[in-house]
Amino acid sequence: SQTIHQWPATLVQPVGSPLSLECTVEGTSNPNLYWYRQAAGRGLQLLFYSVGIGQISSEVPQNLSASRPQDRQFILSSKKLLLSDSGFYLCAWNEPGNTIYFGEGSWLTVV
Amino acid sequence: AQTVTQSQPEMSVQEAETVTLSCTYDTSESNYYLFWYKQPPSRQMILVIRQEAYKQQNATENRFSVNFQKAAKSFSLKISDSQLGDTAMYFCAFRRGSTLGRLYFGRGTQLTVWP
Repeated sequence: SQTIHQWPATLVQPVGSPLSLECTVEGTSNPNLYWYRQAAGRGLQLLFYSVGIGQISSEVPQNLSASRPQDRQFILSSKKLLLSDSGFYLCAWNEPGNTIYFGEGSWLTVV
Repeated sequence: AQTVTQSQPEMSVQEAETVTLSCTYDTSESNYYLFWYKQPPSRQMILVIRQEAYKQQNATENRFSVNFQKAAKSFSLKISDSQLGDTAMYFCAFRRGSTLGRLYFGRGTQLTVWP
């Protein structure tokens, strides 16, 4: 069966520091991969999606970037965090055309 | 553009009772999917139920069922025999029928089940 893992679960970082959140999917090949952000009390915002290795599409201009170095690995990064980057980050995946499933999420607090 | 609207920010229901959460959407697509996701206090997003737009029959998963009105672009979730563990934020979501199929979410309804 397919599983998705996301880490770290919780992160407290100072303003201006770098960020790396990692997500891996097991039990499938060539999945679509997504990064969503959920700010406090708000809905989910799609940040990035990827349909294959090295293929990244950005939904909104921002301080973040994403990379997909391997088929089932999706990384969310920042060189210098801003206070506004705080939030709950969710990685998600689906086999093309199928239901989207989410990881456990990562809490990021920028101080 | 696709939009999903959940007009009820908060709802509450007594244990064992039935509650219905509302969702409307706007799209010009003919092939699409609709979902209800549940986000408990742990914050993980959990799929509750899925409906294919081409199917006239309403989807059902145990105590959860939907009322899909395609012409009205309405997709409500009914929870029967509510349990304390149903307390969560519920999100309605839309996805095109394409292979990429990104999700468009409503703003959510916070459901509280009380004893």
